[in-house]
Amino acid sequence: KAGVTQTPRYLIKTRGQQVTLSCSPISGHRSVSWYQQTPGQGLQFLFEYFSETQRNKGNFPGRFSGRQFSNSRSEMNVSTLELGDSALYLCASSRLGLAGGIYTDTQYFGPGTRLTVL
Amino acid sequence: ELKVEQNPLFLSMQEGKNYTIYCNYSTTSDRLYWYRQDPGKSLESLFVLLSNGAVKQEGRLMASLDTKARLSTLHITAAVHDLSATYFCAVEPVSYSGAGSYQLTFGKGTKLSVIP
Repeated sequence: KAGVTQTPRYLIKTRGQQVTLSCSPISGHRSVSWYQQTPGQGLQFLFEYFSETQRNKGNFPGRFSGRQFSNSRSEMNVSTLELGDSALYLCASSRLGLAGGIYTDTQYFGPGTRLTVL
Repeated sequence: ELKVEQNPLFLSMQEGKNYTIYCNYSTTSDRLYWYRQDPGKSLESLFVLLSNGAVKQEGRLMASLDTKARLSTLHITAAVHDLSATYFCAVEPVSYSGAGSYQLTFGKGTKLSVIP
């Protein structure tokens, strides 16, 4: 079974530009979450989508946005890039399932997109 | 605001030794996850802990959860070099009905180096 895929894997942009990152979840997974990982702030939640609806959003400025398509694939967009946006952006997908008799959604992470802003 | 604290942040240990990584969090009624990350790689799911007293074991790793103390531990038994990686705990708030929030709050991670 194929895992979560993210494209592109590496990206170099300059300040002020915008960027779009793509995520394809595991087949059958309908929830997609996005996280930013930096050495200073660690892993931080950006947003989560389910059935094309954003259900949760982290504490990030409006320059960070996302969407989900009917096939569960998701994109995130960052506009007016800043140097501090350089990070590894991770996408995770999950599917409601049973574990120990309790419903849970383990999030499975993709390989990430390494964004460098110059 | 949910806070998740891991300690230690750095751990250097010799092969064959035992050690424990601690994960404290600030809210109740949560699910707790442990992930492993190798350098330059993504996160690999290790354990999902869903209820008080839950204990999961996989090879040389054992995770436990005490929701009353808001504490999870990851115990390493007889460490081997292949366990060298960064280990993260993550907490997911859940509603009173048990529904997940799909929003993980991560600890800073524990960088483990196992020396042959």
